[in-house]
Amino acid sequence: DGGITQSPKYLFRKEGQNVTLSCEQNLNHDAMYWYRQDPGQGLRLIYYSQIVNDFQKGDIAEGYSVSREKKESFPLTVTSAQKNPTAFYLCASSPPGQGRTGELFFGEGSRLTVL
Amino acid sequence: GIQVEQSPPDLILQEGANSTLRCNFSDSVNNLQWFHQNPWGQLINLFYIPSGTKQNGRLSATTVATERYSLLYISSSQTTDSGVYFCAVSSRGYGNKLVFGAGTILRVKS
Repeated sequence: DGGITQSPKYLFRKEGQNVTLSCEQNLNHDAMYWYRQDPGQGLRLIYYSQIVNDFQKGDIAEGYSVSREKKESFPLTVTSAQKNPTAFYLCASSPPGQGRTGELFFGEGSRLTVL
Repeated sequence: GIQVEQSPPDLILQEGANSTLRCNFSDSVNNLQWFHQNPWGQLINLFYIPSGTKQNGRLSATTVATERYSLLYISSSQTTDSGVYFCAVSSRGYGNKLVFGAGTILRVKS
């Protein structure tokens, strides 16, 4: 079945360690996104990528890095520079054109806890 | 950037009741989506509705783009409707990036 797969679903790390969250989609979508959600709040955009080998910072990119070497994959690294990394991370993708500007579809999320 | 305000922030319903959730936005939009976040955190697409009216079963949505608001109607609510409902919008003036409201927490009691 087509969809967006995020892994791992739950992750615990010690403070100061880098962590990489995986996001894979088999929907043939061009654009992919990473959002962060804190308890009781809406989603905030970290990074997005419209095409392979290109990506842009969102509203809260500091302390995060991404790569887009393949259309299907958009991994997010939470670096030790991120001051408050404990959060729920959601990956999304959107199909090209079709007159539905930027319609997003989400994965199930990864919950990161830094101890 | 574009501002998105949702109301009410919290809503408690008895099973079978109807409800209306509102989303106000500060600029013209080229995308508006309603999502339901279930208790496990997954965001489920409900509607893609930058303008007009759509219906899907017990749910319907209306966006009045000229007046910069959208409404989500839930009829005959069920306990499985509980969760957080998000409105998200994008506009050309903000690079077509989707901006989320803070959400409405819905609790349906049996």
